[in-house]
Amino acid sequence: NAGVTQTPKFQVLKTGQSMTLQCAQDMNHEYMSWYRQDPGMGLRLIHYSVGAGITDQGEVPNGYNVSRSTTEDFPLRLLSAAPSQTSVYFCASSDGLPISGEQFFGPGTRLTVL
Amino acid sequence: RKEVEQDPGPFNVPEGATVAFNCTYSNSASQSFFWYRQDCRKEPKLLMSVYSSGNEDGRFTAQLNRASQYISLLIRDSKLSDSATYLCVVTTGGGNKLTFGTGTQLKVEL
Repeated sequence: NAGVTQTPKFQVLKTGQSMTLQCAQDMNHEYMSWYRQDPGMGLRLIHYSVGAGITDQGEVPNGYNVSRSTTEDFPLRLLSAAPSQTSVYFCASSDGLPISGEQFFGPGTRLTVL
Repeated sequence: RKEVEQDPGPFNVPEGATVAFNCTYSNSASQSFFWYRQDCRKEPKLLMSVYSSGNEDGRFTAQLNRASQYISLLIRDSKLSDSATYLCVVTTGGGNKLTFGTGTQLKVEL
């Protein structure tokens, strides 16, 4: 199993550009989520999904869209990149809800917005 | 007030030392509690869950005090390989979400 994979590993964008961060898992996990990690802020939840076709907002959803058309994939779209979105983005998945156990994280995408 | 608060450190300790990290959380409805470990520029990985009765995994012991809304992690006989950032994590939103502390950095030295 590859686990949770994220692409790209690094990305530089200009203000106003849009892009999609890809996340895929091969563990048949129902729950998937996106976090951003900034210095001194810890990981903050952007969006999450409890199953295909179901998504919900986390703590910092503004400027980001998600969809969950399959169990395996959970892409994160930046609609119009801003310098404030410079961060490290982690995707995670788990077999059940977070209350019940371990989250498996991808290796992260390091995004810089100029 | 942050939902989950940790001392950021760094804690610099010699090899073989015992070190303890503390964490407080503000949401009394939180139901599950975890410690994650994050190495520099890597993804977080689960270290251990934290149970009300306390639990141990080798050199690591976790404690939970629901009345005080306080979680702790004790590391005995520290190894160089324990150097990392330790993240305190609690569930919120009825168990649908995780809230992370900012992490405590540990540096174990020769």
